[in-house]
Amino acid sequence: DIQMTQSPSTLSASVGDRVTISCRASQGISTWLAWYQQKPGKAPKLLIHRASSLESGVPSRFSGSGSGTEFTLTISSLQPDDFATYYCQPYNSPYTFGQGTKLEIK
Amino acid sequence: QVRLQQSGPALVKPSETVSLTCSVSGVSITSYYWSWVRQPPGKGLEWIGYIYYIGSPNYNPSLKSGVTISVDTSKNQFSLTLSSVTAADTAVYYCARISPRDVFQSHYYMDVWGEGTTVTVSS
Repeated sequence: DIQMTQSPSTLSASVGDRVTISCRASQGISTWLAWYQQKPGKAPKLLIHRASSLESGVPSRFSGSGSGTEFTLTISSLQPDDFATYYCQPYNSPYTFGQGTKLEIK
Repeated sequence: QVRLQQSGPALVKPSETVSLTCSVSGVSITSYYWSWVRQPPGKGLEWIGYIYYIGSPNYNPSLKSGVTISVDTSKNQFSLTLSSVTAADTAVYYCARISPRDVFQSHYYMDVWGEGTTVTVSS
């Protein structure tokens, strides 16, 4: 089974900051990676698929990159609405999610 | 526009059976794959399993037995049944649609989610 390791577990940042969240796979997954955003009390929301393809309606300040085993989610200029928990998911291996990265207000 | 509406009990006693339902509107349930994901309090996401309207459902092998996912095409809904529940089954349960983009390569991720149902197992 593929294991996903996200880092950091918690990230403190300010509005306007550029932030990067990392996701590492235990084996190569090409670009078969999705990113989700989850706000407290809400369902996850799909942000990115195929490692870098932005879902319709997702602000362009979000971007994803990477292939193989190393992936990043970048928010170019943090907005108040972006403080949430982010999960990666390798989707060529069912049942696996990263453990999540909580993005907090500094 | 596809919408998933969840229903089910909020409180269940240990050792009982709980059934959750996800009613799909806006699309035919036969057109997509569907899944269940849960999230224990304060923890991350755990994918329970997924189903297509034909064939057998697929379950996370790390979960104990007693999990059943089924589809009712006549009602355009799918369900999750957990038997012999314990406190470890306390979680928010989400139903979700699997994106059709890469499904025929057996690559699954969720593009539409229900609002979630909080299930507490307690006597």
